[in-house]
Amino acid sequence: DVVMTQSPLSLPVTLGQPASISCRSSQSLVHSDGNTYLNWFQQRPGQSPRRLIYRVSNRDAGVPDRFSGSGSGTDFTLEISRVEAEDIGVYYCLQGTHWPFTFGPGTKVDFK
Amino acid sequence: QVQLVESGGGLVKPGGSLRLSCAASGFTFSDRFMSWIRQAPGKGLEWVAYTSDSGSMIKYADSVRGRFTMSRDNAKNSLYLQMNSLRNEDTAIYYCARDDGSTVDHWGQGTLVTVSS
Repeated sequence: DVVMTQSPLSLPVTLGQPASISCRSSQSLVHSDGNTYLNWFQQRPGQSPRRLIYRVSNRDAGVPDRFSGSGSGTDFTLEISRVEAEDIGVYYCLQGTHWPFTFGPGTKVDFK
Repeated sequence: QVQLVESGGGLVKPGGSLRLSCAASGFTFSDRFMSWIRQAPGKGLEWVAYTSDSGSMIKYADSVRGRFTMSRDNAKNSLYLQMNSLRNEDTAIYYCARDDGSTVDHWGQGTLVTVSS
């Protein structure tokens, strides 16, 4: 199975400041169809996960443009340009290239 | 709008069975791949099973293969998960999720399954 790792696992943030989460996979996430199925989800306390970014860098409808995704191959990053109060929660990366699809362990974003 | 509503969770003894259901609305269910994904209390996310739009292709995680059976009824816009030989470690919130060709894009609210004697 593809192992997904995230760092940091805990990210204390300050309102209005940038934040960054790293996600790495144990093998390349480039699919035979040429796409890279690396996705990012946000899970607020008590809620279901919500997709933010699909295929590395595509923002979902309704997701603020302060969220951006980048990376290639095995190394990926989710960035928040200016953290807002509603951004608190756990962030997961997910690889959908190789079955079984696997999530990272999650990064808990909370205020300092 | 897209709605996925899970039901069927509850408390069951080890070795017991449960059948989860997911009622879909707001989109053409028969056009979409669907998944079951679970989350143990306070833990991360684990993909359980994944089916094609017709139901002809179904994949399972190693942890549930041989014990869980996923199915769908496109005429009823419904997804199912039959869970047999349940273990303590199957305790989790089970989410039904829709795929958009990239990955899951909508999730239900989840249904809690508790396996305990």
